[in-house]
Amino acid sequence: DGGITQSPKYLFRKEGQNVTLSCEQNLNHDAMYWYRQDPGQGLRLIYYSQIVNDFQKGDIAEGYSVSREKKESFPLTVTSAQKNPTAFYLCASNRGTNEKLFFGSGTQLSVL
Amino acid sequence: GIQVEQSPPDLILQEGANSTLRCNFSDSVNNLQWFHQNPWGQLINLFYIPSGTKQNGRLSATTVATERYSLLYISSSQTTDSGVYFCAVRYDYKLSFGAGTTVTVRA
Repeated sequence: DGGITQSPKYLFRKEGQNVTLSCEQNLNHDAMYWYRQDPGQGLRLIYYSQIVNDFQKGDIAEGYSVSREKKESFPLTVTSAQKNPTAFYLCASNRGTNEKLFFGSGTQLSVL
Repeated sequence: GIQVEQSPPDLILQEGANSTLRCNFSDSVNNLQWFHQNPWGQLINLFYIPSGTKQNGRLSATTVATERYSLLYISSSQTTDSGVYFCAVRYDYKLSFGAGTTVTVRA
């Protein structure tokens, strides 16, 4: 089945630790995105990538990093510089930035 | 950046009732999408509707781009319609989301 796979579903981070969230898509989409959702709030854009080996900061990029070495993969690293990382993280993709957007099932990150 | 406002913030419906959700945006857009987030967090794309009217089963949406608003209609609501409904508009190569409308449908 075509879709967007995020893993793990739940992740716990210790103080000072970097953690990486995985996002893989087999939809042959060029564009991929990472959003953060806090309880009771909308989605805020962290990073996006329109093409392999290229990505841009979104509205809340501080404390996060990404890479786009393959078309199907867009991992997000939450670094120790992100002081409030507890949130629900959603990966999305589409054929182009003006196309219909599709989401993965999300990763809940919590701090120990 | 563009402002996206959704109303009402919360909506409680009796099963079988109809309802209208509204999305206002502060600038002209060429891309507006509606999403439903179920209680488990999964977001489903309901409509890609930069202008005009579309229907999908009991749901329909209308966007009046010149007046900067979009409406989502839910008819004959069912308990499975519960969740959060988001609208999102595109500016500068990315989608900006509203805060959502939380819909609770009671049996």
